[in-house]
Amino acid sequence: AQKITQTQPGMFVQEKEAVTLDCTYDTSDQSYGLFWYKQPSSGEMIFLIYQGSYDEQNATEGRYSLNFQKARKSANLVISASQLGDSAMYFCAMRGRMDSSYKLIFGSGTRLLVRP
Amino acid sequence: GAVVSQHPSWVICKSGTSVKIECRSLDFQATTMFWYRQFPKQSLMLMATSNEGSKATYEQGVEKDKFLINHASLTLSTLTVTSAHPEDSSFYICSASSGSRTDTQYFGPGTRLTVL
Repeated sequence: AQKITQTQPGMFVQEKEAVTLDCTYDTSDQSYGLFWYKQPSSGEMIFLIYQGSYDEQNATEGRYSLNFQKARKSANLVISASQLGDSAMYFCAMRGRMDSSYKLIFGSGTRLLVRP
Repeated sequence: GAVVSQHPSWVICKSGTSVKIECRSLDFQATTMFWYRQFPKQSLMLMATSNEGSKATYEQGVEKDKFLINHASLTLSTLTVTSAHPEDSSFYICSASSGSRTDTQYFGPGTRLTVL
């Protein structure tokens, strides 16, 4: 079974500090993709970063980096220098093959609150 | 790039009426579009996968006669909630696949449906 697990329902971080949001996954596929999305209170889902299962280096996009540990099946998101605008829900997702088609499987999300 | 629009952003309707939601990819052609439903404080639930020019594939438990999906072109997919009832009130969000190597899904801003 394919599954994404986010064990942190809520997180606090002080402004300008770094924070790590945890994500573990379960799949028997050899080829898969891992995504992180941000959902502010407005509801839109904003794509942040992508990691392919065959990518040897950890993905980085500005202040976002993905700590990919394939053997542990973890894909944690690291946000450096947190800003107040980073307060939002964060979803980890995996592109997996289900029922002969590729779909995104989402975790339950982590709500991040950045303190001034 | 990779902008997806959704219209309307919110709608209030009476029980028994039908509501149409549009999802457009503005700057890329999307061979595949996805429709999700999100309840408050929960993750996204995939309703159906829509391929241009063919019938949508619905997830288990989603009534295809209630949630009509049409993917008429490479930039437009519509979701029609037929004979809406209060239990259909939810946040509906679409996404479009860019078709790139990462096959990233880019999301629209969502539509909040309230059925009275």
